[in-house]
Amino acid sequence: DTGVSQDPRHKITKRGQNVTFRCDPISEHNRLYWYRQTLGQGPEFLTYFQNEAQLEKSRLLSDRFSAERPKGSFSTLEIQRTEQGDSAMYLCASTNSGRGPYNEQFFGPGTRLTVL
Amino acid sequence: DQQVKQNSPSLSVQEGRISILNCDYTNSMFDYFLWYKKYPAEGPTFLISISSIKDKNEDGRFTVFLNKSAKHLSLHIVPSQPGDSAVYFCAASEDSGTYKYIFGTGTRLKVLA
Repeated sequence: DTGVSQDPRHKITKRGQNVTFRCDPISEHNRLYWYRQTLGQGPEFLTYFQNEAQLEKSRLLSDRFSAERPKGSFSTLEIQRTEQGDSAMYLCASTNSGRGPYNEQFFGPGTRLTVL
Repeated sequence: DQQVKQNSPSLSVQEGRISILNCDYTNSMFDYFLWYKKYPAEGPTFLISISSIKDKNEDGRFTVFLNKSAKHLSLHIVPSQPGDSAVYFCAASEDSGTYKYIFGTGTRLKVLA
């Protein structure tokens, strides 16, 4: 396995449209995290999964955002009725909690969303 | 409320010299700290970490120092190389079960040849 992959790498959409991003973590990793990064800022936590269970969501994750991780493998992040303020880099990270809680998270290359 | 702060947006260093990147935090519950490096169009890459029970951790050219009383950590790169030019993010985590990272805003390091 070569690492965390994300698809698409870039997405341009019009305001009001729905978009969906996919993240494929490193195969043996049971924890998966979504972060959002805007210009000039560091990544900000959105939500995380332990296997298929979504265990925490940030207040940044409005009702228009939904994330899933069916079968504890890949994850999807959907944004409904996109707004210009949703324009950002969406990063996915994974780690294996079985090796201890403080293993580093491995990040994917991100999906850059531009809402026109 | 910015819990992790990197007050220097950019830093330029001559090749072969030491680069020192700084990070301050406000949450005393943080007990694990990491540095990530990010190149354009790539995701952050893990560099080095330190637990709050230590005050120093070394890995090759990279050393992280932690001063818990001052709530301050720093990353030293010696000697600096042009390939080190990137954005460096400091991140912190606490033993809350989530182990999510709280990132600083990053410092852009430029190593001049």
